[in-house]
Amino acid sequence: SQKIEQNSEALNIQEGKTATLTCNYTNYSPAYLQWYRQDPGRGPVFLLLIRENEKEKRKERLKVTFDTTLKQSLFHITASQPADSATYLCALPNSGYSTLTFGKGTMLLVSP
Amino acid sequence: EAQVTQNPRYLITVTGKKLTVTCSQNMNHEYMSWYRQDPGLGLRQIYYSMNVEVTDKGDVPEGYKVSRKEKRNFPLILESPSPNQTSLYFCASSLLAGVSDTQYFGPGTRLTVL
Repeated sequence: SQKIEQNSEALNIQEGKTATLTCNYTNYSPAYLQWYRQDPGRGPVFLLLIRENEKEKRKERLKVTFDTTLKQSLFHITASQPADSATYLCALPNSGYSTLTFGKGTMLLVSP
Repeated sequence: EAQVTQNPRYLITVTGKKLTVTCSQNMNHEYMSWYRQDPGLGLRQIYYSMNVEVTDKGDVPEGYKVSRKEKRNFPLILESPSPNQTSLYFCASSLLAGVSDTQYFGPGTRLTVL
């Protein structure tokens, strides 16, 4: 099964800066990868899906890249705000596309 | 409002007392699944269902049962709960039979087994 690594240490940044979170995986490269946001005690909320033939995808202040050679996805939040403080999870499908494996997530803390 | 609902939201029980956590979605989704989330371990899938009457094991199915008799409901059953099943549980659903699109998560059920 897929092994996913996300920075376990919290990322602390100042408001207005760009936050960059990393998701590395070790096995096969899937056809797509997803990013979710999770607030404490609440269910994850879908943010973006990027396909293997899409090098980059944007949604408002969010940008995701997907490098199948490096087996890595980067998640950027530009002009970050305190309201962006949350844990961000990446998720990859298994080879049969029947299940999703989630990374453990990286906590982002944006200070005013 | 399109949503996934879970009940109860909080439950404290004792070892061995059978319990059911309900999950319901009103979006006519094909795929439903259950996850548990524990500190340091992240989200782990327990069971999933591609469609009515079709269920399969996830990564951590031991001690759990599920059923999918109707498209909208996917209850999680703990026949004999044990303290190691104390966790935060999430139900999720997606439109297609698989994981190729957005997963919609419920609000979570916090279970404590004494």
